[in-house]
Amino acid sequence: AQSVTQLGSHVSVSEGALVLLRCNYSSSVPPYLFWYVQYPNQGLQLLLKYTSAATLVKGINGFEAEFKKSETSFHLTKPSAHMSDAAEYFCAVSSTDRGSTLGRLYFGRGTQLTVWP
Amino acid sequence: DVKVTQSSRYLVKRTGEKVFLECVQDMDHENMFWYRQDPGLGLRLIYFSYDVKMKEKGDIPEGYSVSREKKERFSLILESASTNQTSMYLCASSFAGGFSYNSPLHFGNGTRLTVT
Repeated sequence: AQSVTQLGSHVSVSEGALVLLRCNYSSSVPPYLFWYVQYPNQGLQLLLKYTSAATLVKGINGFEAEFKKSETSFHLTKPSAHMSDAAEYFCAVSSTDRGSTLGRLYFGRGTQLTVWP
Repeated sequence: DVKVTQSSRYLVKRTGEKVFLECVQDMDHENMFWYRQDPGLGLRLIYFSYDVKMKEKGDIPEGYSVSREKKERFSLILESASTNQTSMYLCASSFAGGFSYNSPLHFGNGTRLTVT
């Protein structure tokens, strides 16, 4: 079975500082991993996804994430935070079990990012 | 761009009412999902569907049912609304053609339901 743990429900950084949002996964088979962002009063938008092509994945808005199999991690980073990055971020792992769970994602509980001026 | 439209942004209903939440997607996606989102709990899957008239229970199906009569539309039904069903409800869709384990979900903007 797949599961995702996001360490830290709230992260605060100053504008211009490094953003690091942590995600660890549990999967019995090689996973596909995703990061989504949710701005206030909106649905979730895809930031980036890992599908085994490259361990360092670049996404939108300057975010990137590195897949580390040995650490079962997929942490999200951005070198320099911007005020507009304030949002909730969700890590998700895809179900790779054949059969009826095809296409299903398992989400972490989310990390709220606050950016201080 | 994929558009997933949820019919209501805000809904207030009384305990015991039957509630319908509607979701329509315009990209001919096979898979559709209903999640509820609560603070500190993330997204929890209620039901999903991978084809017309097909449905599968997610993690928290109790008190809910779904209907998928047409490919583009997926309805969530609260048979008898209760206060503990007050939540944000998110609909999503994804492509299922080929090897679809890495197909991202496309989300609607959500329906915030309050049951009083």
